[in-house]
Amino acid sequence: DTGVSQDPRHKITKRGQNVTFRCDPISEHNRLYWYRQTLGQGPEFLTYFQNEAQLEKSRLLSDRFSAERPKGSFSTLEIQRTEQGDSAMYLCASSWGTDQETQYFGPGTRLLVL
Amino acid sequence: QKEVEQNSGPLSVPEGAIASLNCTYSDRVSQSFFWYRQYSGKSPELIMSIYSNGDKEDGRFTAQLNKASQYVSLLIRDSQPSDSATYLCAVFFQKLVFGTGTRLLVSP
Repeated sequence: DTGVSQDPRHKITKRGQNVTFRCDPISEHNRLYWYRQTLGQGPEFLTYFQNEAQLEKSRLLSDRFSAERPKGSFSTLEIQRTEQGDSAMYLCASSWGTDQETQYFGPGTRLLVL
Repeated sequence: QKEVEQNSGPLSVPEGAIASLNCTYSDRVSQSFFWYRQYSGKSPELIMSIYSNGDKEDGRFTAQLNKASQYVSLLIRDSQPSDSATYLCAVFFQKLVFGTGTRLLVSP
């Protein structure tokens, strides 16, 4: 399977714990995006990388959230001191080259904070 | 604030009918428009992209774009129960900005 992969697919945690999600983009895709989706809403942009550079962060990305893409390949999204409001589907997407707009999504990580 | 608006539905159509899904957007500069399909509990799946005014057809799907009216639509011909899903309209502003989605229900 050469699509976008995400791990874990599901995560249940207690309020106040830290969680980390991983995304592996489609091979050779240089842009990687993180989105968050809550029930009944469309995905909302969090941040994106071009290679290893983080080029934009949404105001939704509070200081408890941090994302990295250290070698321009996979990316991690960490949430510190989780809150119940962090419960959502976290989606990763990637795109390539001259067609940056066309983004392909991974299966998502569903987070539940108790 | 760049916005994308869709009717949340549900839009109910009988099997075999044409389903028409609509979307408006706020930014006149936008050049790239997308339709994604999302089944319950799954991630969005890209089904159509459109960049120029007019119609673009792909199988049973037709995307329509009118930049002057800031309006994008998706027609699904010969609707099937398997088309029942939420359809997300997205506009690219350095990242994708999504509408809330329209839930489509196709009854046998």
